[in-house]
Parts: sequence; structure tokens; C-alpha cells
Amino acid sequence: GAGVSQSPRYKVAKRGQDVALRCDPISGHVSLFWYQQALGQGPEFLTYFQNEAQLDKSGLPSDRFFAERPEGSVSTLKIQRTQQEDSAVYLCASSLDRSGGYNEQFFGPGTRLTVL
Amino acid sequence: AQSVTQLDSQVPVFEEAPVELRCNYSSSVSVYLFWYVQYPNQGLQLLLKYLSGSTLVESINGFEAEFNKSQTSFHLRKPSVHISDTAEYFCAVSDFGSSASKIIFGSGTRLSIRP
Repeated sequence: GAGVSQSPRYKVAKRGQDVALRCDPISGHVSLFWYQQALGQGPEFLTYFQNEAQLDKSGLPSDRFFAERPEGSVSTLKIQRTQQEDSAVYLCASSLDRSGGYNEQFFGPGTRLTVL
Repeated sequence: AQSVTQLDSQVPVFEEAPVELRCNYSSSVSVYLFWYVQYPNQGLQLLLKYLSGSTLVESINGFEAEFNKSQTSFHLRKPSVHISDTAEYFCAVSDFGSSASKIIFGSGTRLSIRP
């Protein structure tokens, strides 16, 4: 079956522009995660959804970052008034969320955002 | 709070030589442990994981890692590397027993294989 897909794969924005990054999780996966991977670093957690509910947004770096998953499937990460420090690869991951044990997170290919 | 430390940012080795990528973690709770691999121009893939049971876990391409609770380590090893192992490797942890938990990643180790 299809894996996690993300679009666009590459995005170049001028400083101050708003951007929207899309994630299509694996069909039937309940949990969805967003991570930010700066150049030369490991991914860092941004936010987590269980179905349409955003249960953890502790990793969002500022109020310019906003994520939604209105129907519990596709998710969008929006960054308002982009800054150069927002340049990174944004990774989406999804998992089944079966109770009582480990649920593997499957990662998408990422969206590389470059802010000029 | 959990954290992961990968002591080596880059490890160059010759083909067919052994390699060890070091990883130490800190956590106040029990954790799952992972190694992820990111090949050039590809997405993040799970290489192997420790959930419970045997402390030695293996991947299908010859890597192994051993969970050492007393040293809070999860080093990755391979007895003989191949050119195709060239990639960035990330050690990671997440909360044990939580059905959906964020993953905390180390900063990565770039493995470069010389012919």
C-alpha cells in the first residue's frame, strides 16, 4: 500500500510569506506527527494528532506555526510570516495507535522549506 | 526529560571494516530505543528497535545494537560495512508503554564508506 506522502517536496519562500505543507498519512492510521529537521540535525518533534484532536503541540517553536487535521486524515502545517530560521525539512509520520504497546511511526519523504 | 547523545557526528571507515556508532540516552522512565537510517536523498527509515526482551537486536542488513541499561547506551555495530551503508544514522528514544509517543532523536552520525 501507499506510504506517507507529503507535498510539496520542495518549497522556496521569501521571508514574510505564509506557507502550507501537506501530509497524507497511511490510510487508517490514527496518529499523525510533525517533525522539523534542521540542516545537520536530527528531527525534532513539533506536534501530534490523534484523529482530528491535536493532543500535543509543545514542540511548535512559535505562534507563527499552526497545524490542523480537520477530518482526522490529511494534515496541514502552516507557517505564517516565514523567517530564515524556519528553513528546514518538515517530516510527517503516522502510526496505527493500537492500545497497549508499541506503534511504529512511518515517515514521509519530507518537505524541504527554504526561506530566502 | 529524555535526551539522546550521538558522540560522533561523522565516522569514515573503509569498506569491509567493522564499525560502531555510539549512542547514549537519558530518561527518567523506561524507553523504547531505535536506530533510524537516512540514505542520500531518501526518507527516514527504521533500521532496528529495542522494545523488550533480548537486549541484542538485529537488522536485516547485518547491523546489530545492544541495549545496555546500566550504561544507558544503545550502540550500533556492523562487523563488515559495504558502500551501500553510506548514510546518516539517528539514534532515538520514545516512552515505553505509550501507544503513541513522540520520538526524541539524536543529532545523527554520518557514516561514509571508503572503497
